[in-house]
Amino acid sequence: AQSVTQLDSHVSVSEGTPVLLRCNYSSSYSPSLFWYVQHPNKGLQLLLKYTSAATLVKGINGFEAEFKKSETSFHLTKPSAHMSDAAEYFCVVSDRGNQFYFGTGTSLTVIP
Amino acid sequence: NAGVTQTPKFRILKIGQSMTLQCTQDMNHNYMYWYRQDPGMGLKLIYYSVGAGITDKGEVPNGYNVSRSTTEDFPLRLELAAPSQTSVYFCASSYRGTPPGNQPQHFGDGTRLSIL
Repeated sequence: AQSVTQLDSHVSVSEGTPVLLRCNYSSSYSPSLFWYVQHPNKGLQLLLKYTSAATLVKGINGFEAEFKKSETSFHLTKPSAHMSDAAEYFCVVSDRGNQFYFGTGTSLTVIP
Repeated sequence: NAGVTQTPKFRILKIGQSMTLQCTQDMNHNYMYWYRQDPGMGLKLIYYSVGAGITDKGEVPNGYNVSRSTTEDFPLRLELAAPSQTSVYFCASSYRGTPPGNQPQHFGDGTRLSIL
């Protein structure tokens, strides 16, 4: 069975400081993993995806994530937070079938 | 470049009423999905479709129905609306990749539905 655990429901950082959003997954197969961002009253937008190529994945807006199979983790990072990064972030796992499994989300607040 | 379009954006229903949430995509995607998003719960899959004429249940299908007569459209039907169906509903689509779970999903902006 597939599942995702986002370890923090809320994260606050100061503008210009690093961002770390944590995600652990469970999958019976070699998974595909995604991070999406959701701004208020909007749909989800893809930040990046891992599909068994390079373990360090670079996405849009300076975000990146590292797939660590031994730790079953796929944490999202950004070196320097911007005010526009304030949003809800979702980690998603797929067993490469037809369905995707979402974490419960992490709300990122950026303090000026 | 419209992507995934959902209508309406907001709706208030009375208990027992029915309605159809519309979803259309212009990217020629084979796969389409309906999710509901409740506070603190992430997204839960209601139904999905891998192509015209083919639909399948997701994690929380009770109280909903879908159809897929064309590649572009994937409407979600609520029969006998109940307060438990108050939620934000998202439609998404993706390419038929190999395997399909490799392909990212494209989301609409959602329909906010309240059942009173």
